[in-house]
Amino acid sequence: QSVLTQPPSASGTPGQRVTMSCSGSSSNIESNTVNWYQQLPRTAPKLLIYESNQRPSGVPDRFSGSTSGTSASLAISGLQSEDEADYYCAAWDDSLNGWVFGGGTKLTVL
Amino acid sequence: QVQLVESGGGVVQPGRSLRLSCAASGFTFGSYGMNWVRQAPGKGLEWVAVIWYDGSNKNYADSVKGRFSISRDNSKNTVYLQMNSLRAEDTGVYYCARGYDKPDYWGQGTLVTVSS
Repeated sequence: QSVLTQPPSASGTPGQRVTMSCSGSSSNIESNTVNWYQQLPRTAPKLLIYESNQRPSGVPDRFSGSTSGTSASLAISGLQSEDEADYYCAAWDDSLNGWVFGGGTKLTVL
Repeated sequence: QVQLVESGGGVVQPGRSLRLSCAASGFTFGSYGMNWVRQAPGKGLEWVAVIWYDGSNKNYADSVKGRFSISRDNSKNTVYLQMNSLRAEDTGVYYCARGYDKPDYWGQGTLVTVSS
């Protein structure tokens, strides 16, 4: 049981916009910023969004993040086949004194 | 470029110990905190431990507290994870990740299998 809650799956067709949610609590998402990671099959996670809405160099602006209260969202616009991957949200938890992750959302591009 | 290379994984019996290493290059290692994060087969990511840039502070997930120990040698640009009293549920790929405020770069991981 993950501390952050994500829907297990999401899907969309090429060119569509998809969003995925991440629900937490006052000790993590409400108090600290959120990171999003993309994990392609059989590879290490890659940082996609940090500080809730910032993109590292090289990440396309099709990817965007936002937070509101104890929830966060990742949006992907102009969906492409190569976006098919698992997506994880993460935040520092002040009560646990460590990072907490969501269970991951598997994105399928139809 | 930033590189993190984990090693030390393998097959180990329950109750035994294993030490993982993560060799870093391409950045000023002594300026960054470092994490270990694991992933059980077919499951999600689970944070394991973090160590401050100078080793002055260490935090652990409740699931490994008292059994695992994180350390670092800044002269060797390496972070370690000493794993004792291993259990079947510790099986998975172990990743090291740079940065305690924003884990950004991750290694490719090393597989630990705890089985009799």
